[in-house]
Amino acid sequence: AQKITQTQPGMFVQEKEAVTLDCTYDTSDQSYGLFWYKQPSSGEMIFLIYQGSYDEQNATEGRYSLNFQKARKSTNLVISASQLGDSAMYFCAMREWNYGGSQGNLIFGKGTKLSVKP
Amino acid sequence: EAGVAQSPRYKIIEKRQSVAFWCNPISGHATLYWYQQILGQGPKLLIQFQNNGVVDDSQLPKDRFSAERLKGVDSTLKIQPAKLEDSAVYLCASSFTSGGGDEQFFGPGTRLTVL
Repeated sequence: AQKITQTQPGMFVQEKEAVTLDCTYDTSDQSYGLFWYKQPSSGEMIFLIYQGSYDEQNATEGRYSLNFQKARKSTNLVISASQLGDSAMYFCAMREWNYGGSQGNLIFGKGTKLSVKP
Repeated sequence: EAGVAQSPRYKIIEKRQSVAFWCNPISGHATLYWYQQILGQGPKLLIQFQNNGVVDDSQLPKDRFSAERLKGVDSTLKIQPAKLEDSAVYLCASSFTSGGGDEQFFGPGTRLTVL
């Protein structure tokens, strides 16, 4: 079964508008972390934002925020005031860890290609 | 602060040839990761080092892939012999620790094409 599911292969958004990128995850662990990365056409992965499973508040980082719904196992990324430079692939990822301290791998979804239109 | 460095950026080889990739992590980062990213997919972890020891290589095809991190700094990833399905971007990442919430910093990647 897919651990990370990103159901939107591609999204379009008008410049200056907000956009939401969907991500659902599958885990039986109580402790885990959720990450979003941006990958421009140049190839490097750029860390955007992190949400821990015990964080009660939705994470925010500048124009990026997460809509974290733990019961639904979803962590959607909201980008406000889209800019042309936001055009890129966006990957959701999860890392599981148990109380013993051993940590699982960072598991990525297949990504969503965001295109910002002028 | 310098980021994660990788070389080469691009490599084209024929199947059955060998190839090596190099990675220099951010100074002071104890944990180093190699990922394989096939076109249209997210990165998949191949191997994780903590200093110069291997933490996880469960997804590394050990019959053809090998990696080392001598002295706990630079790392090399080798493929020998290469197959067509090895065509991918190979990403190196590093983090200060292996903590669950620790951010991983990625290099620009090496794009490998196997003909």
